[in-house]
Amino acid sequence: DAKTTQPPSMDCAEGRAANLPCNHSTISGNEYVYWYRQIHSQGPQYIIHGLKNNETNEMASLIITEDRKSSTLILPHATLRDTAVYYCIVRAFVNFNKFYFGSGTKLNVKP
Amino acid sequence: GAVVSQHPSWVICKSGTSVKIECRSLDFQATTMFWYRQFPKQSLMLMATSNEGSKATYEQGVEKDKFLINHASLTLSTLTVTSAHPEDSSFYICSARDLLSSGPTYEQYFGPGTRLTVT
Repeated sequence: DAKTTQPPSMDCAEGRAANLPCNHSTISGNEYVYWYRQIHSQGPQYIIHGLKNNETNEMASLIITEDRKSSTLILPHATLRDTAVYYCIVRAFVNFNKFYFGSGTKLNVKP
Repeated sequence: GAVVSQHPSWVICKSGTSVKIECRSLDFQATTMFWYRQFPKQSLMLMATSNEGSKATYEQGVEKDKFLINHASLTLSTLTVTSAHPEDSSFYICSARDLLSSGPTYEQYFGPGTRLTVT
């Protein structure tokens, strides 16, 4: 699976959009980009995933560059409850494949 | 979404004893479950893949005789930490894949984690 690089931490004002970048320059054509988050002392929570098209759900939007070497997770209106560590994971299309977590980005949403 | 539970949520045990952690998929069946370990301020580290009805496969560097995994049914996997020592103190998290989901877009559902403290 491709390696990902994320900034260790970011701050965001409550109510503003949070844009979390992820670099995955070695991504292969069959690898998907997944985003999970982990609120302190809880299990990770699925947010969104995509292959090459931009994706949106009720939680967030995922923007993947045309060359697929990087992506951005957008939380449109961050709240204090969005404070968490956000993990960008790249995983190949192989059944039963595993998730390997990188170091993630600690998002601090401030009032 | 699907729910994965873990029991206990926290446990304290004495050095040299064994402790069992359960991971259950509550509203779906899971042929495959995964066990992770997380030390304070660190990321999740995959320990092993638990396969229903067969032996678990362990990641490199994880002692299979120390971390016993049993996946006896489609909804239950257990992790037993044998002869626990203080350095085994950690946050243990399991995840499960829905048997009925297929292809590359399936999600993994994570449990809430178990905090193990070995004294």
